[in-house]
Amino acid sequence: DQQVKQNSPSLSVQEGRISILNCDYTNSMFDYFLWYKKYPAEGPTFLISISSIKDKNEDGRFTVFLNKSAKHLSLHIVPSQPGDSAVYFCAASEMNRDDKIIFGKGTRLHILP
Amino acid sequence: NAGVTQTPKFQVLKTGQSMTLQCAQDMNHNSMYWYRQDPGMGLRLIYYSASEGTTDKGEVPNGYNVSRLNKREFSLRLESAAPSQTSVYFCASSETRGVGSPLHFGNGTRLTVT
Repeated sequence: DQQVKQNSPSLSVQEGRISILNCDYTNSMFDYFLWYKKYPAEGPTFLISISSIKDKNEDGRFTVFLNKSAKHLSLHIVPSQPGDSAVYFCAASEMNRDDKIIFGKGTRLHILP
Repeated sequence: NAGVTQTPKFQVLKTGQSMTLQCAQDMNHNSMYWYRQDPGMGLRLIYYSASEGTTDKGEVPNGYNVSRLNKREFSLRLESAAPSQTSVYFCASSETRGVGSPLHFGNGTRLTVT
């Protein structure tokens, strides 16, 4: 049973436009959410996070929105750049539970010139 | 800044062979983790170590053992490799346990078991 779902395996967006990556979760005990970015042949790198007490967190071109009632979060990238082409993983965790960091399957983002 | 270093980068094993994947971090982090990534799957936790001297099972520990040798190093051992263990293995570390402390990943070890 997937607790963290990224239902779009891939997404193509024109350079300069907004990229929106979506993530749904089922476990209501999750209270911290993170996005990681991964290039081929490299490990994932941390991008941005949000705790359940907030509904939005912004860092430069990246904004994460959390809708707790819908158990849904999204990552917005504005404007999209060629270097944003990568696989993006959504992850969710429970407070102080190292064994409960659950990753989604990832969404591959292609930024088109 | 090396961050998290994993060795080897690639390895091919025959069924039944054993090997140890090495991981070291130079960020003075307390917690370390081993994940595996399979095609079409997210990262799944194999084992983790919340602090030096402690280790705990994650989601998929069967067929693996770990050693937290010291604060810097966390190794993953396959005693008798099976084709189902063909995967990309990532080591990660974080400053503290739990939320609010993002994981820092190594570049992975690609393991093929034939």
